[in-house]
Amino acid sequence: DQQVKQNSPSLSVQEGRISILNCDYTNSMFDYFLWYKKYPAEGPTFLISISSIKDKNEDGRFTVFLNKSAKHLSLHIVPSQPGDSAVYFCAASATMYSGGGADGLTFGKGTHLIIQP
Amino acid sequence: GAGVSQSPSNKVTEKGKDVELRCDPISGHTALYWYRQSLGQGLEFLIYFQGNSAPDKSGLPSDRFSAERTGGSVSTLTIQRTQQEDSAVYLCASSLIRGANVLTFGAGSRLTVL
Repeated sequence: DQQVKQNSPSLSVQEGRISILNCDYTNSMFDYFLWYKKYPAEGPTFLISISSIKDKNEDGRFTVFLNKSAKHLSLHIVPSQPGDSAVYFCAASATMYSGGGADGLTFGKGTHLIIQP
Repeated sequence: GAGVSQSPSNKVTEKGKDVELRCDPISGHTALYWYRQSLGQGLEFLIYFQGNSAPDKSGLPSDRFSAERTGGSVSTLTIQRTQQEDSAVYLCASSLIRGANVLTFGAGSRLTVL
């Protein structure tokens, strides 16, 4: 039973265009969401997060949008650059239970973003 | 150290052998996590250590898996009698405070069981 779903295993976008990565969740207790980025042979690194009290959070070229009613969030990268090519993981937590461990972060399977020159 | 350090980076072993994977978290980080990523899968939680508290082992897939954390710092994940389905990248992460959502991950240990 996947509580965090990233339905696109891969996404190819032309350099300079917008990349939109999607994530859906099923657990209505989730109220904090994060995106991690992973390059090959490296560990995931934190990219951006959003709390459920907001519907948008922006950090430079990266913006995360949250639609609580649809249980959907998306990561927008504008403009896309070659260095953005990586696997992006969506993660969620229910802060009420955020004592770490199994009640901490739940990750999706990731989306491999490929930026084409 | 400056980051989370894991060793070995790659391990190839024969089915039935035991393996040990090591994690050296960021100095001062009290929380330590082990996750694994099997091919085509997301990050699967395995075990969590917080200070001197009893670890949360709820994610360990079988009793062949165990982990310890000595002195509140270095952690070792042990897999006994390895099976082919244990092949995965094992990722360690640490965080400064309990329940922090932003984790710092190591580069992982890729385990291949032949």
